Amino acid sequence: AQSVTQPDIHITVSEGASLELRCNYSYGATPYLFWYVQSPGQGLQLLLKYFSGDTLVQGIKGFEAEFKRSQSSFNLRKPSVHWSDAAEYFCAVGARSSNTGKLIFGQGTTLQVKP
Amino acid sequence: DGGITQSPKYLFRKEGQNVTLSCEQNLNHDAMYWYRQDPGQGLRLIYYSQIVNDFQKGDIAEGYSVSREKKESFPLTVTSAQKNPTAFYLCASRRTADGDYEQYFGPGTRLTVT
Repeated sequence: AQSVTQPDIHITVSEGASLELRCNYSYGATPYLFWYVQSPGQGLQLLLKYFSGDTLVQGIKGFEAEFKRSQSSFNLRKPSVHWSDAAEYFCAVGARSSNTGKLIFGQGTTLQVKP
Repeated sequence: DGGITQSPKYLFRKEGQNVTLSCEQNLNHDAMYWYRQDPGQGLRLIYYSQIVNDFQKGDIAEGYSVSREKKESFPLTVTSAQKNPTAFYLCASRRTADGDYEQYFGPGTRLTVT
């Protein structure tokens, strides 16, 4: 069965510092991979996605993520965090073998940004 | 502008009452999904529908029901059988052509049952 683990429930970084949010997945083949961001009380917005090709994916708001097959990871990075990046971040995976489009979401990582 | 609307944003109900949450999309997407979000648990799939007049149970369908009579609409009913209905509910849609897996989300409805 597919699963997604975000090991860090809560992360605090200083504004201007670099950020890395971890995501590990369990799946028999290469899945589709996503990172979404959610502001309090709002819906989810897609930051970036990986389907195939270049394993370093660029997204919106200056985020990037790297797919590492050998580590079953898809970590999200940003070189310099802004106060507006404070939000909850979700990693999600989808099965290539299924046409349902179902996604499995991680538990989420809450990012706090210190001034 | 295309998008997904969910109404109302906040909903309050007494225990024992059924309540229906609205989800409408004008993206011309074929597939639609309902998720439940609880603190620290991520998103859990309740029901999904890939075409009109057809839907499937997700991981936590007990106590919920849906209908898909129109492509644009996918309402969710939280019945009195749902033991812990207070949660944040998110609707999403997806374009199924070309195997696109990206889901687009609505703003959510926060349901409080007392």
